Order: sequence, then structure tokens, then C-alpha cells
Amino acid sequence: DSGVTQTPKHLITATGQRVTLRCSPRSGDLSVYWYQQSLDQGLQFLIQYYNGEERAKGNILERFSAQQFPDLHSELNLSSLELGDSALYFCASSVTPSLSYEQYFGPGTRLTVT
Amino acid sequence: AQSVAQPEDQVNVAEGNPLTVKCTYSVSGNPYLFWYVQYPNRGLQFLLKYITGDNLVKGSYGFEAEFNKSQTSFHLKKPSALVSDSALYFCAVRAFRDSNYQLIWGAGTKLIIKP
Repeated sequence: DSGVTQTPKHLITATGQRVTLRCSPRSGDLSVYWYQQSLDQGLQFLIQYYNGEERAKGNILERFSAQQFPDLHSELNLSSLELGDSALYFCASSVTPSLSYEQYFGPGTRLTVT
Repeated sequence: AQSVAQPEDQVNVAEGNPLTVKCTYSVSGNPYLFWYVQYPNRGLQFLLKYITGDNLVKGSYGFEAEFNKSQTSFHLKKPSALVSDSALYFCAVRAFRDSNYQLIWGAGTKLIIKP
């Protein structure tokens, strides 16, 4: 168990809908990362937060947004969902924003868009 | 373009034999290199990293990796494979992309250890 929790575990929704994925980092970790894992694109970095502030952004779609709250949990919001958004979404955390530190991954949220 | 490659989709090894999972990279500057493992229906777990220092890095579960600057490689190795090592292995490298530093990931290599 990495100490990172993600809810829900599974999510099935229809095209055009909006969903929110939630992540609680490991105790003491201030940095949160969001990744998308799909069969065709592999593991892609979406966005990083550190202590409530956006730190780095990957190739994240404009339909996607995220935030990190004062209690350090993070939410990833996906809107106007398309079939191609079906994927496994991982949250990871680390103690600092530096990429020299290992990241601890949650179990993921499997999103299915029908 | 900055990239990381895992040239083998799948590696098959007999239990007790040595294993190697390959990773090559192309980034500017000094690379930060990582290996992670993913078991079915689980998140990724950190195995080891190279940031600086000794080219041979030892990590979890008896794995090690060798940083080779001239060949731009960071291959994962283990002297004696276990059936429980069967999993999906990812190599990652820090790269400058989309105007910031981020980890970019290889496509993954499925390691199958046969009894």
C-alpha cells in the first residue's frame, strides 16, 4: 500500500458528461501528480501541484482541470467527455516538487465513457 | 525530441535465470532516470533511480540498473528471476517538455517469468 488513495475505483459515464476524480496524497507529501494511462498513448503526465499551486503542466486537454486543496487532497475534473477519454487515471505524490524524488502512486480510477 | 524507449514489448525468462529489461533515452542535460513496476490492477511502484553518482544503482526486490552515458541506456537487471517478478516494467526520464520539466515514460515491457 503506497498510502495514496483514489476514489472512485471505477467510473462509467456517458459522452458529454463531467466527472471528478479524487486523490489523497501520502501523509506528509506536498506534491501531487496526475497521469493518464491508456492502451494507445501509454502513461502520460497531465499536471502537477505543489502545496496548492500548479507546478507543471503536461499535454492536458482544455476540457480537463485540476486543483489541490488546503488539506492537500486533489481533484481532477474531466468535462465534455469523449470515448477517447476512457483510461486509467493515476494520482501520485511525492514529498517535494523535485523530480529527483520517487513518486508514490495510487491504485488508479478506471474511467469508461460509453 | 526528448524521448525514452523500451524496445521490447515482452521479455520471457526462466525462473532462476538472469533478466534484463532494456531502456534507452534521449534528453538534453543530465538525465534523471527511474524504473517503476506495475502489477495487475495496481498502481506503479518505484524500484530504483539514477540521479548522479555511481553508475550501478541498486533498488528494491534485488533489482539493479546500470546507467551508461555513452550508450544513453539504463537497463534493469536481476541476477536470478522469480516467478513473482512477472509484471509490467516502466522506464521514465526527466525531460523538458510543454515548457516545464516532467517525467516521460516508456511504453512498458511485460516481463514473464516461467517456472
